[in-house]
Amino acid sequence: DSGVTQTPKHLITATGQRVTLRCSPRSGDLSVYWYQQSLDQGLQFLIQYYNGEERAKGNILERFSAQQFPDLHSELNLSSLELGDSALYFCASSADPGSYNEQFFGPGTRLTVL
Amino acid sequence: ELKVEQNPLFLSMQEGKNYTIYCNYSTTSDRLYWYRQDPGKSLESLFVLLSNGAVKQEGRLMASLDTKARLSTLHITAAVHDLSATYFCAVDTKTHPPAISNFGNEKLTFGTGTRLTIIP
Repeated sequence: DSGVTQTPKHLITATGQRVTLRCSPRSGDLSVYWYQQSLDQGLQFLIQYYNGEERAKGNILERFSAQQFPDLHSELNLSSLELGDSALYFCASSADPGSYNEQFFGPGTRLTVL
Repeated sequence: ELKVEQNPLFLSMQEGKNYTIYCNYSTTSDRLYWYRQDPGKSLESLFVLLSNGAVKQEGRLMASLDTKARLSTLHITAAVHDLSATYFCAVDTKTHPPAISNFGNEKLTFGTGTRLTIIP
């Protein structure tokens, strides 16, 4: 158990819908990262937040957005869902400041878009 | 754009044998991570390699980093069935422009993964 929690574990929805994935980082970690894992794209970095501020963006679609709240939990919002958005979405957290960036991953949310 | 390549992509090996997984990356970085993922599960951190020549060992797994060659290896010794999993390397690079501090703006770029199957 990494200490990172994610809800829900599974999510089944229809195309065109909007969903919200939630992540709570390890106690004391200020950075939260979101990743998407799919068979065709592998593990892709989406976005990073540090202490409430967006710090880095990866291959995140405009239909997707995220935020980190004052209590440091984070939410990833996916809208206008398409079949291709079906994937495992992982949240990771790391301690900052630090000399390295070991990230600890949550159990993931499996999103199925029908 | 940073590219991280692993080979092989698939590896089937017998119990008791030794083998090495390779991770090549295309840009300067002195921080590399290895993760393990069981089917349908999360990623588990295995090793953090922070400098050229770093070597870490845990049980039957040993990881090393050569930053000049931009190469990391994960060596498996006397494989056992419990080691069956997918192994990922990930390279740490700072995004640009840098944030206010030196922290909090790193991103990990993952390799394609190596699916390892240990056969009794």
